Amino acid sequence: KQEVTQIPAALSVPEGENLVLNCSFTDSAIYNLQWFRQDPGKGLTSLLLIQSSQREQTSGRLNASLDKSSGRSTLYIAASQPGDSATYLCAVGEGAQKLVFGQGTRLTINP
Amino acid sequence: NAGVTQTPKFQVLKTGQSMTLQCAQDMNHEYMSWYRQDPGMGLRLIHYSVGAGITDQGEVPNGYNVSRSTTEDFPLRLLSAAPSQTSVYFCASSYSMVLGDGYTFGSGTRLTVV
Repeated sequence: KQEVTQIPAALSVPEGENLVLNCSFTDSAIYNLQWFRQDPGKGLTSLLLIQSSQREQTSGRLNASLDKSSGRSTLYIAASQPGDSATYLCAVGEGAQKLVFGQGTRLTINP
Repeated sequence: NAGVTQTPKFQVLKTGQSMTLQCAQDMNHEYMSWYRQDPGMGLRLIHYSVGAGITDQGEVPNGYNVSRSTTEDFPLRLLSAAPSQTSVYFCASSYSMVLGDGYTFGSGTRLTVV
């Protein structure tokens, strides 16, 4: 059974810092990996999608990497801003069109 | 293009009542699914569908029914609500994960069972 783990569970950093969020998964037989952002009381917003054949994807200040062999993905956020404060969820796409989620990293950017 | 639309946004039920959570997408996506989100448990798959007329169980299907009569709609039915079903429910859709497409999520339904 696929298990997805996100470390740390919570992170607080000052504005302007670069930071890395980690995601690990136990079964490398995945279709893709998707990073989401969730604001309190809101739905999930897709940030980046990495296909199983890709190593990384970039969107603006965000960069996500994927290493299937080691079962790891990282989300790099450059020049963090208070508006980046949210919970970040990692989800692995596997057979039968299922997503398996980690429990998220709650990020706080302090002005 | 509305994406994935969920109704209602909030609902309070009494134990034993039944209700249907609605989900509709206008992106012609084949794949749709329902997740519930609970504190400390993350998002867990309830039921999913790979096309009209085809549904299957996910990780936590007990107490829920689904049907998929059209490509656009995927309602989730609570047969007899229990306090353990208090949660936030999300509907999601995808064109094809096999082809590498990601999932789009609705804004959620917050359900409280008293």
